[in-house]
Amino acid sequence: DVKVTQSSRYLVKRTGEKVFLECVQDMDHENMFWYRQDPGLGLRLIYFSYDVKMKEKGDIPEGYSVSREKKERFSLILESASTNQTSMYLCASRPSGGGFSYEQYFGPGTRLTVT
Amino acid sequence: SQKIEQNSEALNIQEGKTATLTCNYTNYSPAYLQWYRQDPGRGPVFLLLIRENEKEKRKERLKVTFDTTLKQSLFHITASQPADSATYLCALDGDTPLVFGKGTRLSVIA
Repeated sequence: DVKVTQSSRYLVKRTGEKVFLECVQDMDHENMFWYRQDPGLGLRLIYFSYDVKMKEKGDIPEGYSVSREKKERFSLILESASTNQTSMYLCASRPSGGGFSYEQYFGPGTRLTVT
Repeated sequence: SQKIEQNSEALNIQEGKTATLTCNYTNYSPAYLQWYRQDPGRGPVFLLLIRENEKEKRKERLKVTFDTTLKQSLFHITASQPADSATYLCALDGDTPLVFGKGTRLSVIA
């Protein structure tokens, strides 16, 4: 059974803390993504990666960074957490298209609260 | 810029009826369109995808249509059940990461 796992389901951090959200996929997918999801705003893409050590900014990268040192792992880093980063964070992975469309697999999400 | 809209934020429907959800887009020509289901507090799960040259795709009680002239996809659930209650997201697939709509929250009332 294919899987995307995230390090925590719930996380509470203080303002100013450095926060690491980890995501691991076991499907050997090239592409990995980080989203945040807030009521009324839908899924918003933060960063994505097409390959190891490669990253691309999504729609809302400010305040975040990412790391992809291994193919199966994609980390999201909040350098200095702020209360407006309280949200549900979703990781996803997907194979490369090669002219075809493939489904995207999502992790269970991490609900982060910054106080 | 690309824009994708799902016509209703919420849709209530009686059990047994057909639910129809709409996805419209502008400034984009996706080769594929995908639909996902999301339950509260969980990640979206893939349901169906349809190519631009396909008019219709079916999977059990689900049917998706894709009209590239109207720039619209319709998602139908026939004989709806309370277990179908969830948020449904459409996503455009072109040369960039998937572009997701905000979703329609469907409630099937027994």
